[in-house]
Amino acid sequence: QQQVKQSPQSLIVQKGGISIINCAYENTAFDYFPWYQQFPGKGPALLIAIRPDVSEKKEGRFTISFNKSAKQFSLHIMDSQPGDSATYFCASSTGNAGNMLTFGGGTRLMVKP
Amino acid sequence: DAGVIQSPRHEVTEMGQEVTLRCKPISGHDYLFWYRQTMMRGLELLIYFNNNVPIDDSGMPEDRFSAKMPNASFSTLKIQPSEPRDSAVYFCASTYTAGGGYTFGSGTRLTVV
Repeated sequence: QQQVKQSPQSLIVQKGGISIINCAYENTAFDYFPWYQQFPGKGPALLIAIRPDVSEKKEGRFTISFNKSAKQFSLHIMDSQPGDSATYFCASSTGNAGNMLTFGGGTRLMVKP
Repeated sequence: DAGVIQSPRHEVTEMGQEVTLRCKPISGHDYLFWYRQTMMRGLELLIYFNNNVPIDDSGMPEDRFSAKMPNASFSTLKIQPSEPRDSAVYFCASTYTAGGGYTFGSGTRLTVV
């Protein structure tokens, strides 16, 4: 599988702050970039996704920024809340192979009250 | 829809025993994926199916692991014989050809003692 590198591995943010998680990919054929959120004891759940025809996508407090030339994309969580404390995974895929996703290593986010 | 359903939620077994994990994908989804999650290795793709046919099993660790999908609504992952290093959370996920993210089940936490 092609690599997707995610950083940081863990992140502590104060309530109301901005959480930023970064991912870098290698395969230029990737054309779908989702982020998943996982709470303890649960499976990952799709949070937000972007395709490379746009540089940014916003849904509520969550924004994906995409830089095609740098092969990087990031998740920004505005006004972070304790309820956002979870593990976040970036992923990438091509339109082929059943949209088979390659996941990053995950970032454990803790938002302090 | 009830989502992707996995059973059992927890499994504790002795080394050498056979373990069978079960998954019911979302109706209408034609892709099914089995993942393993550990702290050390993150989310690893083990095998995936398209229309009940195994497409890529290169992630299956060794011959002790096998997976089947006898019909569109059921899949199993079997480990025989199980070993302590197989202890992990195993997730099943499904999606459909038209795209979109995966829907994960809640996982099976396997402990081999």
